[in-house]
Amino acid sequence: KAGVTQTPRYLIKTRGQQVTLSCSPISGHRSVSWYQQTPGQGLQFLFEYFSETQRNKGNFPGRFSGRQFSNSRSEMNVSTLELGDSALYLCASSFPRDNKDEQYFGPGTRLTVT
Amino acid sequence: AQSVTQPDIHITVSEGASLELRCNYSYGATPYLFWYVQSPGQGLQLLLKYFSGDTLVQGIKGFEAEFKRSQSSFNLRKPSVHWSDAAEYFCAVGAYGNKLVFGAGTILRVKS
Repeated sequence: KAGVTQTPRYLIKTRGQQVTLSCSPISGHRSVSWYQQTPGQGLQFLFEYFSETQRNKGNFPGRFSGRQFSNSRSEMNVSTLELGDSALYLCASSFPRDNKDEQYFGPGTRLTVT
Repeated sequence: AQSVTQPDIHITVSEGASLELRCNYSYGATPYLFWYVQSPGQGLQLLLKYFSGDTLVQGIKGFEAEFKRSQSSFNLRKPSVHWSDAAEYFCAVGAYGNKLVFGAGTILRVKS
């Protein structure tokens, strides 16, 4: 069974631009969560989607948004990029929606904002 | 609020030596606990998980962890470390809505 895939793997953007990252979960998984990883703040939860609905959201500004499609694939969007948005963005999938279910992570998208 | 503390930022052990990585959590209910490993430039790989039952859980790559409710701890152990174990290790607690709260991580260095 294929693992979680994320595209693109690397991105370089300029301040003020916007970016869209994509995540394809493991087949059959219906929950997708997004995390931001930075050296200063560590791993922080962005949001979780289940059956195309945002179920939970972390403490990030409204510039960070996401959505999930009917095939469970998810995208996250960051608008008006800031230097501090440079990070590794990880998505994780699980089945079904329950905080005790193990989550499987993708390799991440490395975003650099210049 | 849930929180996880990994008190050791870096640990260096000799190849073949035993390993213990510490993790303390704060959670109001029965915790669901996880250990993940991350190699440079990679995503997170699940090593093991604790949901309930036996407090000593076995994972992949020869790792095990023991849940101690009285100490709010979930320490990761391995009897004999291999050079390929060098990586960063994260302890996490499962919170509401499939959210994982992670510790800051422990970087393991293995010296030959």
